[in-house]
Amino acid sequence: DTGVSQDPRHKITKRGQNVTFRCDPISEHNRLYWYRQTLGQGPEFLTYFQNEAQLEKSRLLSDRFSAERPKGSFSTLEIQRTEQGDSAMYLCASSQGLGAFFGQGTRLTVV
Amino acid sequence: GQQLNQSPQSMFIQEGEDVSMNCTSSSIFNTWLWYKQEPGEGPVLLIALYKAGELTSNGRLTAQFGITRKDSFLNISASIPSDVGIYFCAGQFGGNNRLAFGKGNQVVVIP
Repeated sequence: DTGVSQDPRHKITKRGQNVTFRCDPISEHNRLYWYRQTLGQGPEFLTYFQNEAQLEKSRLLSDRFSAERPKGSFSTLEIQRTEQGDSAMYLCASSQGLGAFFGQGTRLTVV
Repeated sequence: GQQLNQSPQSMFIQEGEDVSMNCTSSSIFNTWLWYKQEPGEGPVLLIALYKAGELTSNGRLTAQFGITRKDSFLNISASIPSDVGIYFCAGQFGGNNRLAFGKGNQVVVIP
């Protein structure tokens, strides 16, 4: 499968715990995006990498959130001290030009 | 911030009918994209539009990039049950920029 891959698909965590999600983009794509989606809404932009450089961060990305793309390939999104409001679908997308291709997402539930 | 408006929010159509949905924005975009999302999955790219006035087809799907660069429409002809899902429009100003999404149109096809 050469599409965007996200792991895990589902995560249930207790409030206050840290979680980390992984995204493997399409191999030749140099741009990688993280989005968050809640029920009834479209995806909301969180952050964007070109190769290993994090070029843009949304105001939605509080200081509890951190994203990395250390070698310009896979990326991780960590949420520290999770809150119930962090419950959402976290989507990763990659791109080589215009437009973007999404992974299947990681569904986070904070209890 | 950029806001895309999609209307109507949900549509119930008879199998075999055509359906159209619209997306408007207060900002101009250089690229318009249409995605389909099914429950528990990530958005799947259906059509990408790169030039104002462009009309593009993908099977039973047809989309147009408005001349003002502030709107786009998607038409599905001869709907079938597997067309059920949420259709999102997204705008992108440039290849290095984020995608801004609408809230989606939910399509229900009645057999």
